Amino acid sequence: EVQLVESGGGLVQPGRSMKLSCAASGFTFSNYGMAWVRQAPTKGLEWVATISYDGSSTYYRDSVKGRFTISRDNAKSTLYLQMNSLRSEDTATYYCTRNTITVRGFDYWGQGVMVTVSS
Amino acid sequence: DVVLTQTPPTLSATIGQSVSISCRSSQSLLHSNGNTYLHWLLQRPGQSPQLLIYLVSRLESGVPNRFSGSGSGTDFTLKISGVEAEDLGVYYCVQGTHAPYTFGAGTKLELK
Repeated sequence: EVQLVESGGGLVQPGRSMKLSCAASGFTFSNYGMAWVRQAPTKGLEWVATISYDGSSTYYRDSVKGRFTISRDNAKSTLYLQMNSLRSEDTATYYCTRNTITVRGFDYWGQGVMVTVSS
Repeated sequence: DVVLTQTPPTLSATIGQSVSISCRSSQSLLHSNGNTYLHWLLQRPGQSPQLLIYLVSRLESGVPNRFSGSGSGTDFTLKISGVEAEDLGVYYCVQGTHAPYTFGAGTKLELK
């Protein structure tokens, strides 16, 4: 059974940093691209970043470029999102997703972790 | 960015009723490689999204066959043939043909 378990969320002040983790199991992690998708309170879904299966390629939405870094450790089957210079508009539930490149979609989702940026 | 417009925003249905949700794209979602990267997700209350349909019409494993997808180019439809109580929630279309990935605003399916 595929499982994606996020951790690392919480309350953070504007301008500070936070790192999210996602522990994957139930599939060969190193064979799949992965992504972070977020959902602001009572809002819709928004793609944040994608990383290729081997970590050699990364992609970001414009609003987080230069502030967020997606990375992975295939030996640990873990995905990360380093978030710097956080803004109030980054407040959201962040979902770890398996980003299947062959269909360019998101076929498995974690339960999500809440990030609140506020003073 | 590609804008996906879902209609209606809210859908009220009775159990057993058949319903359809529309997703219209601001650009054709037909990729130069011949694939159309348009998918449908369901987010039940208090849960994370789950994949229902991928590549317009392919049913994800484990998803009941009362769900079906159709369409091409810029117009796509998700149909539920006989709504059941477990189908309530918000449905999203998402496209992967043009970077960046974008989602529709969602259609909330509720009981009448």
